[in-house]
Amino acid sequence: QVQLQQWGAGLLKPSETLSLTCAVSGGPFSGYFWSWIRQPPGKGLEWIGEISHNGIPKYNSSLKSRVTMSVDTSKSHFSLKVISVTAADTAVYYCARGNVEGYFDWGQGALVTVSS
Amino acid sequence: EIVLTQSPTTLSLSPGERATLSCRASQSVRSHLAWYQQKPGQAPRLLIYGASNRATGVPARFSGSGSGTDFSLTISSLEPEDFAVYYCQQRANWPPDGSFGGGTKVEIK
Repeated sequence: QVQLQQWGAGLLKPSETLSLTCAVSGGPFSGYFWSWIRQPPGKGLEWIGEISHNGIPKYNSSLKSRVTMSVDTSKSHFSLKVISVTAADTAVYYCARGNVEGYFDWGQGALVTVSS
Repeated sequence: EIVLTQSPTTLSLSPGERATLSCRASQSVRSHLAWYQQKPGQAPRLLIYGASNRATGVPARFSGSGSGTDFSLTISSLEPEDFAVYYCQQRANWPPDGSFGGGTKVEIK
């Protein structure tokens, strides 16, 4: 059973950098896309982007200028950084594992609040 | 960017009834469409991938159909645990994004 365990700072001030990491256990790291999705409180899902096991990223065009994703295959980790956060970045952030067909496994979600 | 439009926004039905949810894409995504179920406080759960393939462990009352720009998710007979929000997601190769629809809430009538 694949498990995704995510962590990172939950409270940020405007202009700071959001940083989240997701650890994968119970399954292979290679051969999949590793994704980040967010959900503002009471709203729908927003695809932030994904990265392949060999480090090739795809980003949502609306966030591309502020987002960086990376993988550490030696630790079976992948990470998300979002610079210059604002209140609009307040959301539950999910990591997920999938392929071209969809995301089969999800992390538990982490609430990130941006507030001065 | 491919835009997915889901309808209706809310579907009010009783247990045992049939639910039909729609997802329309602004351009063809062929069969690269997935459906997810989300309950309050939980991560989404993949139900359907490749437009019509049930994910592991998904009951047979859930079925997906469609290709190109028009897709549907059908729940043949609603069980109490099916009342939730459902999202579609496109997985087209180009443009390279995985955008979601706005969601359909299936609520108890």
